[in-house]
Order: sequence, then C-alpha cells, then structure tokens
Amino acid sequence: GAVVSQHPSWVICKSGTSVKIECRSLDFQATTMFWYRQFPKQSLMLMATSNEGSKATYEQGVEKDKFLINHASLTLSTLTVTSAHPEDSSFYICSASLGGSSYNEQFFGPGTRLTVL
Amino acid sequence: GESVGLHLPTLSVQEGDNSIINCAYSNSASDYFIWYKQESGKGPQFIIDIRSNMDKRQGQRVTVLLNKTVKHLSLQIAATQPGDSAVYFCAENNQGGKLIFGQGTELSVKP
Repeated sequence: GAVVSQHPSWVICKSGTSVKIECRSLDFQATTMFWYRQFPKQSLMLMATSNEGSKATYEQGVEKDKFLINHASLTLSTLTVTSAHPEDSSFYICSASLGGSSYNEQFFGPGTRLTVL
Repeated sequence: GESVGLHLPTLSVQEGDNSIINCAYSNSASDYFIWYKQESGKGPQFIIDIRSNMDKRQGQRVTVLLNKTVKHLSLQIAATQPGDSAVYFCAENNQGGKLIFGQGTELSVKP
C-alpha cells in the first residue's frame, strides 16, 4: 500500500523557535496533502489542505502566518510552526491523497509529536 | 455546522466477543464514510469504507453499516482480540475531499 512518512517523529524545542515538519509520500505522487493536529484524548482536526504548486487552504481559526505550509513537489509537503509556544504542543499528522475527489483515499503519516518548552 | 460524532467515548469488551462502535453524522449530503483505527502515538490506519449507495460492507472480521435515514454509521468487529485495542474514528469525506473526524471511541479488550 501507499506509504507516507513524517520527519521528525518527535521534536522538543524552546518557546519562540520555529520547527519544520516534513511529510513525504514514498511510493506515489500526492496531488493533495492534508495537515491535522491532534491534542491528547481528542480527535484529529484538519488544519489545512495543500495542493502541489499552489497556496495552502487553511481551515477557519488556523493562523496561516503561524503555520506555514509548502508543497513544493508531488512527494513532499512541509509544515513550519513559527515562533512556537507551549500551546502549540500537539501531535501533528499529515496525509496524502492522489486528488481532491471524495473517494480518493487519504494515506496517513505516523505523526510528529511536538513539545514546546 | 457539519459534525460527525460518536455515541460512546469508551467501550470495554471481553476477548472473543463482538464489538460495535457507533457514529452519528449530520451532513445528509455526505456520500463517503471511513473508519480508522489509531493506536497510541501513531497515525490513523484505514479499516474500511462505505459509499452512500450501500448500506453494508464487509471486510476481514469487520463490517460497516450505514443508515442514511437516521444518519448513523456503525463498525462491527467480530471476535475482538487484544490487538484491536485502540481508538476508533469514523470520518466523513465531503465533496472537497476533506475528512471530518468524529470524536473517537476507545476500545479496550479484556483478556
């Protein structure tokens, strides 16, 4: 099956620093990638939808200047948490899809645990 | 607004018993639904999906039932095993390809 990787798997940073998380589709080209955030004991919340070569579409309430998303190729999307604060500590999960159709399966990465001190 | 929710946040079953996890959705226009399993510290894992033109779909030890009349979705796991212990999410895939996740049910299997 389709494999999606994330790097790093976990990261600890100081408040005020920026952190970049990579999402890669290893054996297929992903037209669309999605970024989710999940707090402990809660569900996944979609943050943004990223299409290769175009600007990401952010969900309501997600600050686009704080969560920078770049989808430079069909196999790589990056999420940069700028000026991270403790409240940004969360589990960040990406998924990759072949397209935007309702029936295109999303393949999920293993997640990145971010802890901001 | 749109929402996908679950009736029960936790479910404890005995090994070998069948498990039923329920989900309610609110968008009657939704036409595709997916169940995911998430183990601690990992990303969601696809279990089974169903399109709105079906009311039942079976996989290996799992069955998904869809009742569009009452906007209800369920996941049945037969002969539940300790390895099935995880959080299960239903998700609604809207026409834009976005997934809206339900709150999740934590399944605990007692040996």
